[in-house]
Amino acid sequence: GAVVSQHPSRVICKSGTSVKIECRSLDFQATTMFWYRQFPKQSLMLMATSNEGSKATYEQGVEKDKFLINHASLTLSTLTVTSAHPEDSSFYICSASGALQYFGPGTRLTVL
Amino acid sequence: GEDVEQSLFLSVREGDSSVINCTYTDSSSTYLYWYKQEPGAGLQLLTYIFSNMDMKQDQRLTVLLNKKDKHLSLRIADTQTGDSAIYFCAESRFTGGGNKLTFGTGTQLKVEL
Repeated sequence: GAVVSQHPSRVICKSGTSVKIECRSLDFQATTMFWYRQFPKQSLMLMATSNEGSKATYEQGVEKDKFLINHASLTLSTLTVTSAHPEDSSFYICSASGALQYFGPGTRLTVL
Repeated sequence: GEDVEQSLFLSVREGDSSVINCTYTDSSSTYLYWYKQEPGAGLQLLTYIFSNMDMKQDQRLTVLLNKKDKHLSLRIADTQTGDSAIYFCAESRFTGGGNKLTFGTGTQLKVEL
């Protein structure tokens, strides 16, 4: 299957700082990438849909000014958690969509 | 309702078959998927089935689809300890922004010796 990478895999930051997470499709071009959030022992919650060259579409209840998404190329999307707070601590997973949807390994964010 | 439902937990003995069930909501779903998630990791695509199929077999995995009842199942033959993980079903719907997935609640599979 196709390979999707995420960087970093784990990040710990202080409250009030911003954190950028990168999602890359390594062996295919993805016009659409998705960002999910997963709380412990729960399912994935779609945060936003990211299309190359256009603004992201956010799901209801997700603050677009808080979670900035940029899809600069067909192989890279970034999620920036701005002014992070402890309640933003979570597992963030991206996926890249070709014919099927392939997931990255996830980024564990801990905000102190 | 809006939720894609799965039973929360399944325990089997090594070598037995496992059957994980899923009830989805959207009859217009084009693809239905099964993903596997190991602790602390992302999701691994296991298999998928087109909505116009009833069954798909891929090595140890068999997917059955009952469109009338909106029921999807994943059978794992000869279950091994390495199969212990959380399994998510997902339904997809094409929107203007791409294929959107709605995930089930996840089934924790525990394989015992």
